[in-house]
Formats: sequence, C-alpha cells, structure tokens
Amino acid sequence: DQQVKQNSPSLSVQEGRISILNCDYTNSMFDYFLWYKKYPAEGPTFLISISSIKDKNEDGRFTVFLNKSAKHLSLHIVPSQPGDSAVYFCAASAQFNDYKLSFGAGTTVTVRA
Amino acid sequence: DAGVTQSPTHLIKTRGQHVTLRCSPISGHKSVSWYQQVLGQGPQFIFQYYEKEERGRGNFPDRFSARQFPNYSSELNVNALLLGDSALYLCASSLGWTNSPLHFGNGTRLTVT
Repeated sequence: DQQVKQNSPSLSVQEGRISILNCDYTNSMFDYFLWYKKYPAEGPTFLISISSIKDKNEDGRFTVFLNKSAKHLSLHIVPSQPGDSAVYFCAASAQFNDYKLSFGAGTTVTVRA
Repeated sequence: DAGVTQSPTHLIKTRGQHVTLRCSPISGHKSVSWYQQVLGQGPQFIFQYYEKEERGRGNFPDRFSARQFPNYSSELNVNALLLGDSALYLCASSLGWTNSPLHFGNGTRLTVT
C-alpha cells in the first residue's frame, strides 16, 4: 500500500531554470513531510521539511509547498544548478505510525548545462 | 562531526546464509532506524529503536531482527537469506522519537546469489 506517490520518475531542466517536483499522499494522518536528495553510492541527504500547520517553508534555493486539502506537496528549486542532478525522495510521517517515514519512489532530476 | 557510519559497504552472500549489518549513529542521537531500498523504489521502513527499545517494526518477516546497544549503535540481522533480500540497507539516526529529520548513512549494498 503505497501511501506516498511521486508520479514523475524523471525531470530534465535547464541550468538556471526552476525545477518543480511533485508528491501526493493518501493518508490524511500524515503531519510532517520531508524531501531528501540522493546521489549514487550515497545515502539520502535531508533537504527540507514542512509541518502540516504550515503551507510553505523556504531554505535558500529550496521551497516546499503543502496543500493539505489536495494531499499534495511540491518542491521548488530555483535556480537549478548542475549539482542538483540527483534522485529526490518525498517522505511523510505522523505520530500515529511513530514517525516512521513513508517514502515515494523518487524523481530523478537532470540539470542540463 | 562524523555522520552515520555503516559497515560493511558491500556484501555478497549465498541464499540461506545469515548476515549482520552494523550502524553507528551521529554522536548524541539516541534513535536508530533501518530501511531497505530496492532498485527503483523508495526506502522501506524495517525497524526503529529508541533508547535500546524497539519502537516500530515494518512489514518484514521474522527473519529480520535488530537490536540497539548501550552506546546507541545498532545491528540488523537477516537469517535464511533469499534472492529478494538483495538491496541497499540504510541506517538512519535522529535526536529523538519525534518528527525530527532522519540522517542517513551511505548504506550497505547486499547481494544474495
């Protein structure tokens, strides 16, 4: 039962442009959402998170938007840089499941020069 | 500060064998979690430990077991290995048993032949 879905397996964007990654979830009990970035041969690296009491959180080039009514979140990267080429995972957690993370399948981002 | 360290980095085992994977959390982190990542999918939750007690278990068979030691390091054991156990096994640590971000190690790549 996949509770977190990333429907776009890949995204190609030109350097300097905006990258928008999308994520949908099915369980309305989720109250904490995170984005991780993963390079080959490395573990996922935490990027940014958002609590369900907010609808936007910003950290430098990264902004996460949360739409609770639509059970949808997105990650905006502006401007995209070559070093942003990686796999991005959306994850969600909640007190009901002891805060264990449920991950999406990931979106591979390629930033073109 | 050292991040989460896992050993070994790679392992090749034969069906039916047993394997032990080890993890040292970030200094000061009391919670350790284990995740399994199969190619093309997001990480799947296996276990969570906090203060040496099991706090959560994912949908994995009893062949999977884990424990946390007094120094908060942890090991994951898998008995009677199957081909389907081939995956990247990720350990993550966090400060506590709350909605704080998990910090992942680089994983152990297990191949079962």
